[in-house]
Amino acid sequence: GAGVSQSPSNKVTEKGKDVELRCDPISGHTALYWYRQSLGQGLEFLIYFQGNSAPDKSGLPSDRFSAERTGGSVSTLTIQRTQQEDSAVYLCASSSTGTAANYGYTFGSGTRLTVV
Amino acid sequence: GDSVTQMEGPVTLSEEAFLTINCTYTATGYPSLFWYVQYPGEGLQLLLKATKADDKGSNKGFEATYRKETTSFHLEKGSVQVSDSAVYFCALWGSGAGSYQLTFGKGTKLSVIP
Repeated sequence: GAGVSQSPSNKVTEKGKDVELRCDPISGHTALYWYRQSLGQGLEFLIYFQGNSAPDKSGLPSDRFSAERTGGSVSTLTIQRTQQEDSAVYLCASSSTGTAANYGYTFGSGTRLTVV
Repeated sequence: GDSVTQMEGPVTLSEEAFLTINCTYTATGYPSLFWYVQYPGEGLQLLLKATKADDKGSNKGFEATYRKETTSFHLEKGSVQVSDSAVYFCALWGSGAGSYQLTFGKGTKLSVIP
């Protein structure tokens, strides 16, 4: 697509429920990143995909968080048994291999997750 | 490892004031440097970039010059507008062969009042 698309844009869920956040990167972008941004805070790196594999998942905060990417395209971030501290904006970004050093990433608009 | 330090916010300015947001970095070699802007309720957008020393990136009246000698990439604008109110992030892409992600500063929130 023309840009990075994230869905849903807003999600309110009850504590303890599972949620899935979706990211559709720019067509042809092989690298995909997930970040978390808590209220008034900076960017917290969660996971990086190159194609379908995740060479760096060091930022996932607990085993309740998982992510996958299929077909080198769409990625899903899943949070199981959500807690109130999971409330944040989840941002996805993508880039083309070999060009990020010159052009950086393209970000989606984010999913605002609220756990009540 | 690589790191980016930018001035703490929030910064509040009157319309038409001069803006400087300081950014310094620590990295080996010659990283690429970026400024991103995040308007309320939106994702981050690339504002400007510089990929080698002494390059000046510019966009929408904003400028930043890649200073290798002071490891800095300060963002400036001569006359801010209310519409510039946003959070600004400085970032670098390391020059090492294994680099695969941007390193971000913590962000500086700018509020411009009429």
